[in-house]
Amino acid sequence: DTAVSQTPKYLVTQMGNDKSIKCEQNLGHDTMYWYKQDSKKFLKIMFSYNNKELIINETVPNRFSPKSPDKAHLNLHINSLELGDSAVYFCASSYRNTGELFFGEGSRLTVL
Amino acid sequence: DQQVKQNSPSLSVQEGRISILNCDYTNSMFDYFLWYKKYPAEGPTFLISISSIKDKNEDGRFTVFLNKSAKHLSLHIVPSQPGDSAVYFCAASAHRDDKIIFGKGTRLHILP
Repeated sequence: DTAVSQTPKYLVTQMGNDKSIKCEQNLGHDTMYWYKQDSKKFLKIMFSYNNKELIINETVPNRFSPKSPDKAHLNLHINSLELGDSAVYFCASSYRNTGELFFGEGSRLTVL
Repeated sequence: DQQVKQNSPSLSVQEGRISILNCDYTNSMFDYFLWYKKYPAEGPTFLISISSIKDKNEDGRFTVFLNKSAKHLSLHIVPSQPGDSAVYFCAASAHRDDKIIFGKGTRLHILP
């Protein structure tokens, strides 16, 4: 029974396309995150939502739009994909004051 | 601007010996530190944490040491086991409910 699940796991697409990655957590956590791991292997935070409210937005291009329909879901929509968007995107969740994140398996996005 | 640095990209240790993974940070506001472990094709999983009011935290084979004056922390694994082969990420935050900043990771190989 997967705690944090992301779909799709792999995504290959052309430059200029729009794509979405979905994330769901069944842990009852109140905070969800998107992290990006680029080719240099850094895990960088992109967004964080607490009870559907955006609390962290790390100067990510506005082509990236997170959407949280409820506190168990945080989806990431990317418009006009660029080559530099190729990365592994990790969704995570936590209770806000614990600092201990539970990660999904990651979604590998390849932009051609 | 790397606020959390793991200067060793990889480390090889004989099974049964002690593994020591190091991490340095630059932000003096960080007061909570975590280690995550990541296997290939999986998301990072939380391993152990330490608050800045402590200098040591132990959990089974894993011990984290914090030296605030040197802005340095280390993870000790003893004895090292084959299942410990993974990438280890050091992470830090300023307040538990703020964003968590990750290092680049250190790949640990446990040799038979």
